[in-house]
Order: sequence, then C-alpha cells, then structure tokens
Amino acid sequence: NAGVTQTPKFRVLKTGQSMTLLCAQDMNHEYMYWYRQDPGMGLRLIHYSVGEGTTAKGEVPDGYNVSRLKKQNFLLGLESAAPSQTSVYFCASSYGQGKNEQFFGPGTRLTVL
Amino acid sequence: QQQVKQSPQSLIVQKGGISIINCAYENTAFDYFPWYQQFPGKGPALLIAIRPDVSEKKEGRFTISFNKSAKQFSLHIMDSQPGDSATYFCAASRGSGNTGKLIFGQGTTLQVKP
Repeated sequence: NAGVTQTPKFRVLKTGQSMTLLCAQDMNHEYMYWYRQDPGMGLRLIHYSVGEGTTAKGEVPDGYNVSRLKKQNFLLGLESAAPSQTSVYFCASSYGQGKNEQFFGPGTRLTVL
Repeated sequence: QQQVKQSPQSLIVQKGGISIINCAYENTAFDYFPWYQQFPGKGPALLIAIRPDVSEKKEGRFTISFNKSAKQFSLHIMDSQPGDSATYFCAASRGSGNTGKLIFGQGTTLQVKP
C-alpha cells in the first residue's frame, strides 16, 4: 500500500498562474482533507470531503477549489495564485464514521512569486 | 479564531529528560484529542490519542494527561531520545458522527540533545 500520495512535491508559480494539486489514497478511505501548514500556525483545514462527489469548506477556503470525482482522489485547485498561498500543502484521509485517525501524505511545497 | 492553543513553541531537552507540551481548548463539544508527530520533510503521523472519558493514556514512553474541567491536555515524553526530535501538534475534534475535522494547535518543535 502506498498510503496517501501527493503530486507534485514542489512547485513554483508566478502570481496569477493556476495549478492543481493531486492527492490519491489506496486505503479505501471515505473522508479526505486538504490542509496548509505555515510557520507558527499549525495546520489549517482548507476543504474536506466526506465521500465521493461531496466537498465542503474548512477554516481557510478562500482562493481554493476542490473536487472529488473519484473516491480515491481529491484535487486542490488554485485558480489565480497569490504570494499569500505560499505554503506547504498536506492531504489526509480517514475511514470516517467515528474512526478518526487521519493519514497524511508527504506534502507539496508551493512557492508563489 | 484559534480554538486550540499549544505551548511552548519550542523546547530543548537533554537526553533522558522529560518533555512536556501543553494544549488548551475552548469548545466543550470536542471529544477526541490526538497528538501528531512530524519529522522534517514528512507529513504528520498519529502518535497517541485520548477521549475525555479517561484522564490519562500511556503508550510506551508517551503519555497524554487530560483535564476536562480545565479544558487542557498535555503530552509527556519520558526518557526523551534524540530520535524524538520533531514537531508535535495537538489537535481536537468532535469525533462522534460527523466529519472528523481536526483543529490543530500551533505546533511545538522539540530538540533532544544527546
């Protein structure tokens, strides 16, 4: 089992460019999450999904969109990148239904110039 | 609004010493309190978790102490080792019957000196 994988690992964008981060899990987990990690701020939830075809906003959703067309994949999109979106992005997944442990991917380091 | 506050921001401990990290929460509906460990360049991984029906949980050298009335919980690392050097995050969520969303603390960077 690969667990939770994220692509790409690193990316540099110019302000205004768009990109999509891909998260994939092979554990048949129902729930998936996107977080951003910034120094001194912990991990903050951007968007999450409780099942295929469903998405919902987290703490810091502005400037991001997500899609969950397949159960194993959760995509995070930046339509018009801004320097404030420079961060490390983590995807996580869990079984759901009261099984709370979240399994995290290795992260994507994004720099917006 | 930060619902989980973690301290200290950084901690230096000698090998064999006890590392203590504290967290406080505001929402009394929280009923699941995990600690995550993160090594540089890696994603966080669950270390240990507790629910409010017990006051303490121990797994090896790692112990969570939970004080429901004070809305505080802490992580104790006994006999700290250089391999424990990492960033530790506390978190909280309403575990029963919902989305499993975690609210994380700000993180504590632990350095264990040999």
